[in-house]
Amino acid sequence: GAVVSQHPSRVICKSGTSVKIECRSLDFQATTMFWYRQFPKQSLMLMATSNEGSKATYEQGVEKDKFLINHASLTLSTLTVTSAHPEDSSFYICSAPGLAGERYEQFFGPGTRLTVL
Amino acid sequence: AQSVTQLGSHVSVSEGALVLLRCNYSSSVPPYLFWYVQYPNQGLQLLLKYTSAATLVKGINGFEAEFKKSETSFHLTKPSAHMSDAAEYFCAVSEAAGGYNKLIFGAGTRLAVHP
Repeated sequence: GAVVSQHPSRVICKSGTSVKIECRSLDFQATTMFWYRQFPKQSLMLMATSNEGSKATYEQGVEKDKFLINHASLTLSTLTVTSAHPEDSSFYICSAPGLAGERYEQFFGPGTRLTVL
Repeated sequence: AQSVTQLGSHVSVSEGALVLLRCNYSSSVPPYLFWYVQYPNQGLQLLLKYTSAATLVKGINGFEAEFKKSETSFHLTKPSAHMSDAAEYFCAVSEAAGGYNKLIFGAGTRLAVHP
């Protein structure tokens, strides 16, 4: 099946700094990618939908200026957490629609664990 | 609007025993339902999905789920648990079957399998 990668897998940063997380579709093109956030022992919450060539669509309650999304190419979307604070510490997961047989389904990346000190 | 409720945040079974993970949904349109598995510090892997065809859906690793509209349920079962089944399981609902549609996840159920 389709493979989605994320980089880095783990990142620790100081409060106030910005962190960039990459999501790549390795063997297919993705005009759309999804960014999720998962707090410890909780479910995944959709943060935004990343669209190649246009602005991302954010879910209600997600700060656009804090979580910057750039879908730079058909295989790459980036999420930048600006001026990170400890409450931003979380597991960030991306997904992209890819072909599974004759149908599309979402393929998930392995996630990025962000720890803000 | 759509939502998912997973009853039981933790389920513990013996190896070889039946696995039953419960999922109930709410949807104003015909739902498409999914079960995903997540191993520690990893992304999600699709176990199975209901896309309005057969109500009994078979997935990978011996799992299956039955869509019951009258009960608004989509419970996940496996006849005989294996140690490798220990993981977090998420039920999700969407308005369409394709991968371009938003997924709404339940809170998850952590499955423990003991010898």
